[in-house]
Amino acid sequence: GAGVSQSPRYKVAKRGQDVALRCDPISGHVSLFWYQQALGQGPEFLTYFQNEAQLDKSGLPSDRFFAERPEGSVSTLKIQRTQQEDSAVYLCASSLGSAVILGYTFGSGTRLTVV
Amino acid sequence: QQPVQSPQAVILREGEDAVINCSSSKALYSVHWYRQKHGEAPVFLMILLKGGEQKGHDKISASFNEKKQQSSLYLTASQLSYSGTYFCGTLVYNFNKFYFGSGTKLNVKP
Repeated sequence: GAGVSQSPRYKVAKRGQDVALRCDPISGHVSLFWYQQALGQGPEFLTYFQNEAQLDKSGLPSDRFFAERPEGSVSTLKIQRTQQEDSAVYLCASSLGSAVILGYTFGSGTRLTVV
Repeated sequence: QQPVQSPQAVILREGEDAVINCSSSKALYSVHWYRQKHGEAPVFLMILLKGGEQKGHDKISASFNEKKQQSSLYLTASQLSYSGTYFCGTLVYNFNKFYFGSGTKLNVKP
C-alpha cells in the first residue's frame, strides 16, 4: 500500500480482555517496528522485526505483550489481560532497510483505552 | 538514554523563527527529526548522520554537533502548517538503540 496501515484506529477494552492490533507495512519494507506512545510523550520502542524474524523485543513491558510477523509482511501486536496502564497509542513503523539511516514511516496508530 | 528536548512548548506568530534543541548524554551516531500533528502519525522530516552535518528543506533546517552530542532544528518564517509536536530521535553509539525525545509542542498563530 501507499502507507503504513493500522487497525483498528480506536479500541476500547475492558480490563482483563485480550486485544490484537494489526499493522500492514509499506509493501517491500523489510523492517517493522512497534512503538508505544503515552499521552504527551515521545514514542517508546517495543519491538523490531526484520522480515519475519523478531530481532529485538527488549521494549515489551511484560510477558502479556506479544508480537508476530509470520510471513514477513503484516504484523500483529497482542496484549493479553489488558491493564489500565496499557492505555496508549500503539504506533507501527516500517522502513525499507535500516530505519536509523533511512527514517521511519509511521502508521496513524491504534489508540487503546482500557477501562 | 532518552534525549532531552527544549523548550517543551513554543508559541509563535506566523513569520517568526524558532529553534528546537535536542541533546544527549551519550555519544550519538545519528539524529532524526519528526513532526506529529494531533491524532496523526509522526512524519519524518530529516536525518543527520555523524560528521557535524547540516540539512534543510524549504524553511526547516537542522544541524548536528557530534562533539556536543546535540542537534538543533531551525524553523524560519514559520507558517501555520508548522504547528505540531516535534520529536528528535537519536541512535546511541554502541547501544544500537533508538530513542525519541519527549517532544516540543509548537503552536503557530496567525
